[in-house]
Amino acid sequence: TQLLEQSPQFLSIQEGENLTVYCNSSSVFSSLQWYRQEPGEGPVLLVTVVTGGEVKKLKRLTFQFGDARKDSSLHITAAQPGDTGLYLCAGGRSNAGGTSYGKLTFGQGTILTVHP
Amino acid sequence: SAVISQKPSRDICQRGTSLTIQCQVDSQVTMMFWYRQQPGQSLTLIATANQGSEATYESGFVIDKFPISRPNLTFSTLTVSNMSPEDSSIYLCSGGLGTEAFFGQGTRLTVV
Repeated sequence: TQLLEQSPQFLSIQEGENLTVYCNSSSVFSSLQWYRQEPGEGPVLLVTVVTGGEVKKLKRLTFQFGDARKDSSLHITAAQPGDTGLYLCAGGRSNAGGTSYGKLTFGQGTILTVHP
Repeated sequence: SAVISQKPSRDICQRGTSLTIQCQVDSQVTMMFWYRQQPGQSLTLIATANQGSEATYESGFVIDKFPISRPNLTFSTLTVSNMSPEDSSIYLCSGGLGTEAFFGQGTRLTVV
């Protein structure tokens, strides 16, 4: 069974601070997604990384996939109250052909609260 | 991407009854999945909904409790059968395109 360890579980910071969320596994994933979820809504896909060592940026968010495709990180620069939410990493569970087709193993999630 | 519509968005049900949740995708996704989530916590995969055949269930989930149908590429249902308060949770469906998955808004189920 492929497991993803996500940390920290809770993060409470002031507006303007930087933060990093980590996602680690002993297993290799074909891809890794980061989602953000707000209460009463489904998870919304932020980014997908598929290549070891890949770095993607989405405004103030920087996503990194480890060289061995076993870990990932999400870094937020100058956090804002609008960044508040549940952040989830999810690894693609591939079939024999190497494509997950959206079948995911989720980390435990990080509840981020950014205070004004 | 894909737009996933799920209904009902929430329901309160009596124990011992069953609830069927519907999931409609706006495009032909390769795969459809059903997940369960406690508020503020992570998602657990219940099963893969296979078109025209029996769903593939994850460990700890069985067809008698969570029967799933997928009559075509864009529609699936999940039934929560003989409900107990332990079934109170958020149920989410997703559609897979390539490596990515897109989620509906979820169904918040409360069993009393």
